[in-house]
Amino acid sequence: GAVVSQHPSWVICKSGTSVKIECRSLDFQATTMFWYRQFPKQSLMLMATSNEGSKATYEQGVEKDKFLINHASLTLSTLTVTSAHPEDSSFYICSASSASGSSGVDTQYFGPGTRLTVL
Amino acid sequence: GQNIDQPTEMTATEGAIVQINCTYQTSGFNGLFWYQQHAGEAPTFLSYNVLDGLEEKGRFSSFLSRSKGYSYLLLKELQMKDSASYLCAVMDSNYQLIWGAGTKLIIKP
Repeated sequence: GAVVSQHPSWVICKSGTSVKIECRSLDFQATTMFWYRQFPKQSLMLMATSNEGSKATYEQGVEKDKFLINHASLTLSTLTVTSAHPEDSSFYICSASSASGSSGVDTQYFGPGTRLTVL
Repeated sequence: GQNIDQPTEMTATEGAIVQINCTYQTSGFNGLFWYQQHAGEAPTFLSYNVLDGLEEKGRFSSFLSRSKGYSYLLLKELQMKDSASYLCAVMDSNYQLIWGAGTKLIIKP
């Protein structure tokens, strides 16, 4: 149980284009989904937290107009990197949990990640 | 501020035992997680401790002392496939996960 999928697993795009990454919880309902970014040999960096049906909460320094997050259902969240540039090249990982803030603690289960390369 | 400390890198021998320590200072505490992350892959969940004591799960065990702000992950009968980074993360009073930088574990034959 607790399987999270991500699509695509890797993508190469030209500078200036937009890229959409999907994150799905396959066997549970994810009230909360998280988007992380990880540069080579660095720690996970939380970008944003989204609760189903609500606007995402972005971490300080993350541009919400550049990284659009939609969490329209309990099993799907999308991250769209708009007008991507080479410095956006990174490993993007989503995670999902079935807890929503103060309602309780639950484990975050991670998707396999999406490697984005912007040329 | 909130802080999670764990060693940057450790080396151990196949078949041996290794203990990876994690100390934390956070605004509140709602549990401590350990994740394993192989190079180029996403983290996978290993354990969750919210009460003091030892939780054993096969070759892996995790210990927590809330009064000391301390946890460790114990790996027994090390295998080459255990070579990975091990991430310690604490859930604070706002149910936000605070991540450590990870400990890279190198297993030698």
